[in-house]
Amino acid sequence: DVKVTQSSRYLVKRTGEKVFLECVQDMDHENMFWYRQDPGLGLRLIYFSYDVKMKEKGDIPEGYSVSREKKERFSLILESASTNQTSMYLCATDRNMNTEAFFGQGTRLTVV
Amino acid sequence: AQTVTQSQPEMSVQEAETVTLSCTYDTSENNYYLFWYKQPPSRQMILVIRQEAYKQQNATENRFSVNFQKAAKSFSLKISDSQLGDTAMYFCAFMQDNTDKLIFGTGTRLQVFP
Repeated sequence: DVKVTQSSRYLVKRTGEKVFLECVQDMDHENMFWYRQDPGLGLRLIYFSYDVKMKEKGDIPEGYSVSREKKERFSLILESASTNQTSMYLCATDRNMNTEAFFGQGTRLTVV
Repeated sequence: AQTVTQSQPEMSVQEAETVTLSCTYDTSENNYYLFWYKQPPSRQMILVIRQEAYKQQNATENRFSVNFQKAAKSFSLKISDSQLGDTAMYFCAFMQDNTDKLIFGTGTRLQVFP
């Protein structure tokens, strides 16, 4: 079974802090994704990566950056957290195009 | 741009009954994939069912089946013999062929009552 692990289940950070959300997958998948989930808006893609050191902007990249130094790890970075970034963040991975995505358990981030 | 619409924010069903969740989408593409994902309370999102647009036959996975109407751009999920464990948020999602970008609907919260 694919395992996608997000480093924290819950986080509380202060406005202006730099925040790192970590995601690790154990199935050697090429593709990794970061989404945010908000009530009434569904999931929206922030960034994705097809390979190490490679990144592509999703639909809502503003205020975020990512890092993929190793194949199994994909980090989402909030350079200066703001209250409108309070949300549930989901990491996902898949092996190839058009295949099933596997999700982490989510990180609920609150920015105060 | 592709969009996915789930018009039922919440639904409820009694155990052992059948429920249908609706989903419509908009695209000008001919080849694409459609998915239903389930997110149980405080648990990971998992795939329920997947449909390839070029296949006429509706996908089925045990108690879960879809009604795929390509011309109407409709992709509803039918859950038969509902169980308490089916209580979850259900997301419909679209993926264009030869891409990895999932476009999600806003979700339908399903509550199964005993």
